[in-house]
Amino acid sequence: DVKVTQSSRYLVKRTGEKVFLECVQDMDHENMFWYRQDPGLGLRLIYFSYDVKMKEKGDIPEGYSVSREKKERFSLILESASTNQTSMYLCASRREGRTYEQYFGPGTRLTVT
Amino acid sequence: AQSVTQLDSQVPVFEEAPVELRCNYSSSVSVYLFWYVQYPNQGLQLLLKYLSGSTLVKGINGFEAEFNKSQTSFHLRKPSVHISDTAEYFCAVSLNQAGTALIFGKGTTLSVSS
Repeated sequence: DVKVTQSSRYLVKRTGEKVFLECVQDMDHENMFWYRQDPGLGLRLIYFSYDVKMKEKGDIPEGYSVSREKKERFSLILESASTNQTSMYLCASRREGRTYEQYFGPGTRLTVT
Repeated sequence: AQSVTQLDSQVPVFEEAPVELRCNYSSSVSVYLFWYVQYPNQGLQLLLKYLSGSTLVKGINGFEAEFNKSQTSFHLRKPSVHISDTAEYFCAVSLNQAGTALIFGKGTTLSVSS
């Protein structure tokens, strides 16, 4: 059974803190993605990674960075959290190839106070 | 630029009624089409996808969708909904280009009441 796990379901951080969101997949997928989900805006792509150590900016990369040192793990980093980064963050993975579906983790609801 | 438009942000229906959730896309290249469902406090789960072939695609939980290339639409339908179908539904496209992620619509909230 395919699985994408995220390190936390709920997270509360203070403004200015450095925040790490971790995502792990056990399907040996090449591609991994980070989205944020906000009411009325749907899912917006932050960053994605084709393969280990490869990354591409998505639609809203400002204020975020990513790291992919191992194939199964893709980390999203908020260098200095701000209140406008309060959101639901969803990680996904996909086998290489545009016809394959993306598998999603359960999400991390991040609140920045 | 490519985009996905879900024409209804909220769709309230009664149990056992039919439902259609509408999705239009715009793209200058060919696309692959997906519908995902998100139940409360969960991640997204694939309902169905269209890659090629028959334009009528059947998915899980009794849902189906029809690809209409001339109208650039991919509407989702179910002939009789249940309370348990209450969720948010997302239409997405994958461009037939290397190095692209799914592009999602803004979602449609389906609320089924008795």
